This record gives sequence, C-alpha cells and structure tokens, in this order.
Amino acid sequence: DAGITQSPRYKITETGRQVTLMCHQTWSHSYMFWYRQDLGHGLRLIYYSAAADITDKGEVPDGYVVSRSKTENFPLTLESATRSQTSVYFCASSFLGERAQPQHFGDGTRLSIL
Amino acid sequence: DAKTTQPNSMESNEEEPVHLPCNHSTISGTDYIHWYRQLPSQGPEYVIHGLTSNVNNRMASLAIAEDRKSSTLILHRATLRDAAVYYCILRDVSSSNTGKLIFGQGTTLQVKP
Repeated sequence: DAGITQSPRYKITETGRQVTLMCHQTWSHSYMFWYRQDLGHGLRLIYYSAAADITDKGEVPDGYVVSRSKTENFPLTLESATRSQTSVYFCASSFLGERAQPQHFGDGTRLSIL
Repeated sequence: DAKTTQPNSMESNEEEPVHLPCNHSTISGTDYIHWYRQLPSQGPEYVIHGLTSNVNNRMASLAIAEDRKSSTLILHRATLRDAAVYYCILRDVSSSNTGKLIFGQGTTLQVKP
C-alpha cells in the first residue's frame, strides 16, 4: 500500500543500547521529518531532511542521528538510549517544505527505555 | 511564532454538525492556517488548510474570519470516527524551511451516539 510506514510499532530497550527507528514512504516526497510526542510537550521536531543526503536539526536533536541515503527512507538512530528518550516517535513527509504543504504522518513507534 | 487558542474539549452528537473554533489574534499576513487531527493511537492526520478564503474538501470545511484572527473547522456530519484531538496550527515563513509544525494542546472532540 502507498503511504508512510514506521517500524517497529513498539520497542522496549535498555539504557545505553543503540536503537534505530525506520521510516519508509512511497510518495517520493522530498521532505521527511521526525517528531517525538510527550505528555505536556505536544509534538516536537527532532530532525528533518529536504532531500536525499540533506538533513538538518530541529528543536530537540541531541542524542539522535539521522541519515537519508535514499529518498524513501529516513531512519532515526538513538546511539546510546536514555530514559528521557522514552516517547512516541512519528515520522512525516511532505512534497515540499513550504508553509502551504501538508505533512503526512506515520502511525508512530512507541519506544520505552528501561 | 504566532499562537493559537482552542477550547480544551467539545462534545457533539453523531450525525450533527460540529464547529471547532480557533483564535489566532497575532496571525501575520503570510501565515497559513492548518488543521490536523489525531485519532487515538495514531499519528496526526492532515485535515485542511487555508490562507484567506474559506476552503472545502471531502473531510471538512474551513471558515476564516475576514480579519483572519479566528477560524472554524466545520465537520458537516460528525461520526464516531471523528472523535479525536483537533489541532489548529499556523505555518509561517520562519517554519517553512524547517517544516516545523507547532502543535498546541488542541481540542478533544467527543462524539456521542
């Protein structure tokens, strides 16, 4: 099916471990985004990418690494997970980045770090 | 970034119209008004957006006040599947390149059968 898919949907890991969250979209959208959603903070932008091999920081990038070797994939890596990174992570994409373009979100990855 | 104000919660009966208000008194001339909704355990879903004129699509209508300081999302016939948190978001020039969407607390809509 066309759309944006995230995997895994649920993940439990331990402090200090490396974990990678996957995001795949089939629309050939140029822009892709990673957000995290926490109670009391709403959604906050972690990283975004305007095209393959172009990435940039959002509001809360510390502790995260991204890459984008192909247009359709935008993985998010927590190199050494901490409890404060327990959250729901959403990937999104849009055709362009300008303000009239809607973003389309995946169903999220629920990450728990023990 | 210009902020929006929405009621925390609203209730509606199934098959009746719902009007979800949003105030944005500090909106600038280049801000687009976007609406998203988030169903339980799902990611946010784009609903509609507009700049100055009223807009309609298959999901909803967006009515924008003449002075643009407020807007209303209209669901013409609410269904149980419309129960969600609805977010009114302004997208300004400064957020264009980052793609940042600033989500507030939104309005939690309950739909009663």
